[in-house]
Amino acid sequence: DIQMTQSPSTLSASVGDRVTITCRASQNIASWLAWYQQKPGKAPKLLIYKASSLESGVPSRFSGSGSGTEFTLTISSLQPDDFATYFCQQYSTWWTFGLGTKVEIK
Amino acid sequence: QVQLLQSGGGVVQPGRSLRLSCAASGFTFNTFGMHWVRQAPGKGLEWVAFISYHGSETYYPDSLKGRFTVSRDNSKNTLYLQVNSLRPDDTAVYYCAKKGVSLAAPAAFDIWGQGTEVTVSS
Repeated sequence: DIQMTQSPSTLSASVGDRVTITCRASQNIASWLAWYQQKPGKAPKLLIYKASSLESGVPSRFSGSGSGTEFTLTISSLQPDDFATYFCQQYSTWWTFGLGTKVEIK
Repeated sequence: QVQLLQSGGGVVQPGRSLRLSCAASGFTFNTFGMHWVRQAPGKGLEWVAFISYHGSETYYPDSLKGRFTVSRDNSKNTLYLQVNSLRPDDTAVYYCAKKGVSLAAPAAFDIWGQGTEVTVSS
């Protein structure tokens, strides 16, 4: 099974900060990686697919990069609506998620 | 608009069975594969099942094979998850999710249901 390791598990930041979350795959997944945002009591929402493609309707302050085993999600200027938990997911071989990164208010 | 509306769930005794439903609207249901994902309280996301657009192919993680059965009725635009011999560690919010593309290529999950809570307790 492909394991996904996210870091950090928690991130404290302020509005306007640039935020970066990292996801590592235990084996090469090419660009078959997605990022999701989840708020308490809500379903996950797709932000990024194929490592760097922005889902329709997602603000451009979100971006993704990487390939192979190392990936990043960047929020260029954190907004109040962005405080949430973020998950990466590989869909190269079956489907597995990272454990999540909670972005909280500093 | 594109929507997945879930039903079913609730409090169930250990050993009993449960069927969850997911009604699709706003897209051509019979051309997309569908998934189930669960999230235990305070935990991350766990993929539970996949079914192809025509229903002839189903996949499960090895850890869940045998107790979980995914099915679909394309005439009703509805996805199902049957869970048998429920255990306390099946307690979770269960989500249905749509495969992002109708082709055979790998795809993320672009639309999610609202989730339905399943609590296994005596």
